[in-house]
Order: sequence, then C-alpha cells, then structure tokens
Amino acid sequence: DTAVSQTPKYLVTQMGNDKSIKCEQNLGHDTMYWYKQDSKKFLKIMFSYNNKELIINETVPNRFSPKSPDKAHLNLHINSLELGDSAVYFCASSLSGTLSPLHFGNGTRLTVT
Amino acid sequence: DAKTTQPPSMDCAEGRAANLPCNHSTISGNEYVYWYRQIHSQGPQYIIHGLKNNETNEMASLIITEDRKSSTLILPHATLRDTAVYYCIDNFPTTGGGNKLTFGTGTQLKVEL
Repeated sequence: DTAVSQTPKYLVTQMGNDKSIKCEQNLGHDTMYWYKQDSKKFLKIMFSYNNKELIINETVPNRFSPKSPDKAHLNLHINSLELGDSAVYFCASSLSGTLSPLHFGNGTRLTVT
Repeated sequence: DAKTTQPPSMDCAEGRAANLPCNHSTISGNEYVYWYRQIHSQGPQYIIHGLKNNETNEMASLIITEDRKSSTLILPHATLRDTAVYYCIDNFPTTGGGNKLTFGTGTQLKVEL
C-alpha cells in the first residue's frame, strides 16, 4: 500500500539519451512535486502541479518536462541527459491549502555516464 | 535558500532523549515550523509541525519559544532507527499554491549504543 511510488528505483543511462521517471500517489492529494537531491545532499524543489496545472517551476532547464495526466500522476521526462543530471529525484504529494505535510516517494537514483 | 539554521551534526545515546535545535529568527507570523527527517536512501518523512504552541505526536515533541525565533525537536527515547538527517523548515501552505518546502542542510543525528 505504498502511498507515493516512483519507477524506476534506479536508472543508469548515457549522455544524450532521453528518459522518463513515473510517479503515482494513492492518497487523494491534489498537488504533486518533483525534488532533486544532488551529490551534496541538497534537496531542491523543481516543479509542482496542482490539479494538473503547473504552479511552481524553479528555473529548471527546458530539457526537463513534467507531465501530469491526472491528479494522481506526475511524470518527469528528461531530454538530452547530461552528466550533471545525475542525482536522486524524489516525487511528493500533498493536499493544497491545508497544513497536511508532504509525502515523499523513495526516490529514483539517476546515473548519467 | 533555507531560512533556518541547524547544527550540522549531533550524537545521542540509544534510549536517551535527542534534542535537536533550530533557529528561524526571520519566521513570519503565519508560517509554521515543520520537521522532516531523511533516513539514508529513503525519501524525507514528515515528523511534526507547529505554529506557536508546543506539539506532541507519536513520533516526537516540538517546543517553540515564545518569540517563535527558535524551536527544539525532542525524540524522547532515541533508537538506532532514528539515525537520520533532520530538517527544520518554516512554511505556510497556500490554497492552490503548493507547499514550496525549502530544505536546508539539516542536522545529521547519529544514535549510538
């Protein structure tokens, strides 16, 4: 009964490739997020969607394109992967307008070689 | 950038109380103090939040000073499984605006036998 699930857990690919990470939540939340944690362990928000609409975009390169087909899913597509994209990507969800906390998935470790 | 400051690391003996401090001197009147933790290789996990009153749940207690410029997270009986990075974050959730949590560097708590 995983609340926020991400696939795949590990992703190893070469520079220049295009890859996608999928996220699904079964908590009934209306807001979903993508966070990036780099090698120095800094955790930074990338995107947030509320009811399938983009509400937060933290100056992420255009190579990153989130897509939210419905409130329960937020996928992240990355074009032309670069070495610097290597990181752990976390998906999260919450209920907007409330004090309810963010629920995070267990991350996708992306390694670009 | 994070608006909170925390010590980079702390040690605690198993079974003892772990008291993790946080300074949030620029917190605004409607911002809550949230605490999350990240156990190695997992996504961040919500612990507790509060506005100005002390709070307690099954995981921890949160003591907020009267001027709200600092707080302390208390794990009353720390176990080895509490070894993690603990993040203190000030945040105000907005309707339709998502919760843009800004994570700092946190405190690495190491619980030892």
